[in-house]
Amino acid sequence: DTAVSQTPKYLVTQMGNDKSIKCEQNLGHDTMYWYKQDSKKFLKIMFSYNNKELIINETVPNRFSPKSPDKAHLNLHINSLELGDSAVYFCASSLTKGASYEQYFGPGTRLTVT
Amino acid sequence: AQSVTQLGSHVSVSEGALVLLRCNYSSSVPPYLFWYVQYPNQGLQLLLKYTSAATLVKGINGFEAEFKKSETSFHLTKPSAHMSDAAEYFCAVSVSGRRALTFGSGTRLQVQP
Repeated sequence: DTAVSQTPKYLVTQMGNDKSIKCEQNLGHDTMYWYKQDSKKFLKIMFSYNNKELIINETVPNRFSPKSPDKAHLNLHINSLELGDSAVYFCASSLTKGASYEQYFGPGTRLTVT
Repeated sequence: AQSVTQLGSHVSVSEGALVLLRCNYSSSVPPYLFWYVQYPNQGLQLLLKYTSAATLVKGINGFEAEFKKSETSFHLTKPSAHMSDAAEYFCAVSVSGRRALTFGSGTRLQVQP
């Protein structure tokens, strides 16, 4: 009964390939996020969806395209992978109503581009 | 825009000693503040949060933090460190209307036996 799950956990691929990461939450939340953690452990927001609508789109190359088929799922597709895309990608979710504001994170997907 | 500064990328304490991890924030509107912990090769787990209620916030695993508006600080403390506390700790801020978290650069806590 994992709250926020991601697949795959590890992804090793070559430059130029296209890959996808999937995220699912069973918490009943209405907002989902993608964060990138670089090799120095720095975490930065990439995208956020609220009720399937894109609400945050940081300065991310347009090779990255998020898609939210429903409130419980948020996928990340990456085209033409580059060495610099190697990182850990975390999915998170939260509720917009109420005063909680906290986000729950998935276990991460470690992407290695060779 | 919001920002977070964590002073000290590495903190080392002895088992049983006080843990103090420092976090200062910058925000033009009332902030919501969080501490997350990340164990090796794992995701982030929420330790505690400040959402404009009590300024002294208690979290899991014996951690607590105090919101000090005058000092723009939200330092994390634990009276007695355990070996199992060794991990990376992140302070984060968000504001109403922008729920995305802005993280500090993290502090690695080492606990010596």
